[in-house]
Amino acid sequence: GEQVEQLPSILRVQEGSSASINCTYENSASNYFPWYKQEPGENPKLIIDIRSNMERKQTQGLIVLLDKKAKRFSLHITDTQPGDSAMYFCAARDSGYNKLTFGKGTVLLVSP
Amino acid sequence: NAGVIQTPRHKVTGKGQEATLWCEPISGHSAVFWYRQTIVQGLEFLTYFRNQAPIDDSGMPKERFSAQMPNQSHSTLKIQSTQPQDSAVYLCASSPGQANSDYTFGSGTRLLVI
Repeated sequence: GEQVEQLPSILRVQEGSSASINCTYENSASNYFPWYKQEPGENPKLIIDIRSNMERKQTQGLIVLLDKKAKRFSLHITDTQPGDSAMYFCAARDSGYNKLTFGKGTVLLVSP
Repeated sequence: NAGVIQTPRHKVTGKGQEATLWCEPISGHSAVFWYRQTIVQGLEFLTYFRNQAPIDDSGMPKERFSAQMPNQSHSTLKIQSTQPQDSAVYLCASSPGQANSDYTFGSGTRLLVI
């Protein structure tokens, strides 16, 4: 199976600064790494993902980095806004399986 | 596309009672997953179906939890003799089933066992 560790569990930043969340995984066969954002009372929604044939992906203020050698991937939110405050989950999927294994989540709090 | 539909949204049961949770996946999605979300454990995998066949139930507590997918339009998660520690949000997700396809989650069922 897969295990995913996610840190930090809580992240407080000032509006306009950047925020970084880090995840590590154990299974070197994992090849798909999505990130989900969950707002209070809502279901998790995919915000960005990266596949193992890439090292970096960027979209709309979000950057994902993947270091396969270190089995580590990270989410970077640039120019954070109060609307970015939410729970964020990283996940990993191994090549032979459709099941996602999730990290325990990071609560991001962006203060004005 | 109504997305993944879960019913009920909220359920309160007394300790020892049975709870049945329903999930209707997105039409055409071949994979259906059940997860349990708590503050302490985060998103825990419970079980997974592909083309209605059970593939992996490694996350299911063996004695009181069961899941079925009798047809492609719905799956059920049944908890017998509910206990307070079963209180959680139960999330269903569906996926097209290709190797790198992501999930679409339902809104979840918030189960409270008192």
